[in-house]
Amino acid sequence: GENVEQHPSTLSVQEGDSAVIKCTYSDSASNYFPWYKQELGKRPQLIIDIRSNVGEKKDQRIAVTLNKTAKHFSLHITETQPEDSAVYFCAASVNYGQNFVFGPGTRLSVLP
Amino acid sequence: DAGVIQSPRHEVTEMGQEVTLRCKPISGHDYLFWYRQTMMRGLELLIYFNNNVPIDDSGMPEDRFSAKMPNASFSTLKIQPSEPRDSAVYFCASSPDLDGYTFGSGTRLTVV
Repeated sequence: GENVEQHPSTLSVQEGDSAVIKCTYSDSASNYFPWYKQELGKRPQLIIDIRSNVGEKKDQRIAVTLNKTAKHFSLHITETQPEDSAVYFCAASVNYGQNFVFGPGTRLSVLP
Repeated sequence: DAGVIQSPRHEVTEMGQEVTLRCKPISGHDYLFWYRQTMMRGLELLIYFNNNVPIDDSGMPEDRFSAKMPNASFSTLKIQPSEPRDSAVYFCASSPDLDGYTFGSGTRLTVV
């Protein structure tokens, strides 16, 4: 079955700097890769996603890149702000919106 | 739309008791998922339904866990008998297919 690894497990950056979180997946058939942000005590919320027919997607300060050959994808957050502090989860799915396998999460701290 | 609605928000029960968690998905979403979140194991998929039919229950830990979806607007996850190791946050999520999940607020279960 699919296995998703995520690095780093914790990340601290200064406000205004960029943050990058990387994920690798094992199943080459995976075709959908969402990213979720979970603030303390709250639900995971979808922040951006990418499909396998696209190499990069951007939404304001957030971007995701996908390398299908290497089977890895990354989340990039630019101009980080304290409210970006949260746990970020990547996920992979073989069937778009079905049956995601989540990575273990990255705890991002943005220091003022 | 009120989003995915879960109840109760918190549940404290004694070991051996039956616990029932409830979920109302977003109207029109064909898929419903039950996840369990713990510090040690992260987000684990327990079971998911498509059009009220269970598709994959391989993540259900053991026979003590059961899930039903009697109609498109309601699902339950039952644990009988409950054990302390079942303590976790249980999330329900729904999706319209070909898209990311929307998670409910979760039920924090504590079994003492």
